[in-house]
Amino acid sequence: GQQVMQIPQYQHVQEGEDFTTYCNSSTTLSNIQWYKQRPGGHPVFLIQLVKSGEVKKQKRLTFQFGEAKKNSSLHITATQTTDVGTYFCAGGEGGSEKLVFGKGTKLTVNP
Amino acid sequence: DTGVSQNPRHKITKRGQNVTFRCDPISEHNRLYWYRQTLGQGPEFLTYFQNEAQLEKSRLLSDRFSAERPKGSFSTLEIQRTEQGDSAMYLCASSLGGVWQTQYFGPGTRLLVL
Repeated sequence: GQQVMQIPQYQHVQEGEDFTTYCNSSTTLSNIQWYKQRPGGHPVFLIQLVKSGEVKKQKRLTFQFGEAKKNSSLHITATQTTDVGTYFCAGGEGGSEKLVFGKGTKLTVNP
Repeated sequence: DTGVSQNPRHKITKRGQNVTFRCDPISEHNRLYWYRQTLGQGPEFLTYFQNEAQLEKSRLLSDRFSAERPKGSFSTLEIQRTEQGDSAMYLCASSLGGVWQTQYFGPGTRLLVL
């Protein structure tokens, strides 16, 4: 079945440093979604990417969808303490509404 | 609050007991999803409903698990004869109809089976 892998599993940065998490799917995706989960919280939707090679930006966050629609990345510029949490990618395949989540990248930011 | 709500927020039960969780989706959302999340893992899809119809179920959803959405509004997830391996956070999400709509998650029900 479809598998979604994320690396790294953990990332610790100093405030102001950049951060990137990578997501790879074993199958071609129809779309990929990114979620953020704060400690003790629930996943909160960040963005959805649908088109091959798509790049979307939200302030300091940049999301990319690979040309082959099998990988994606999230890049945060100049991290802040408010960025702490676990970032999940979730992929969907055509013909199904289910999302397959990666294991997430847990980001900690040292002030 | 017009977000997704789940009850109870926490449940402690003994092995072998039955438990039932409830999810109230965002009112205009006709899709409802159940996920399970264990520590250090991403949410794992269990099942989803379009209105009252259960359209897809994961192989994770053993015969001890049953979900319903009788009137196309709230949903219940029941686990019979609970096992320690069922301990997890059970998340509910809802979305509008249509292809690949954003899923809005509730706060979850944390289950501990002793």
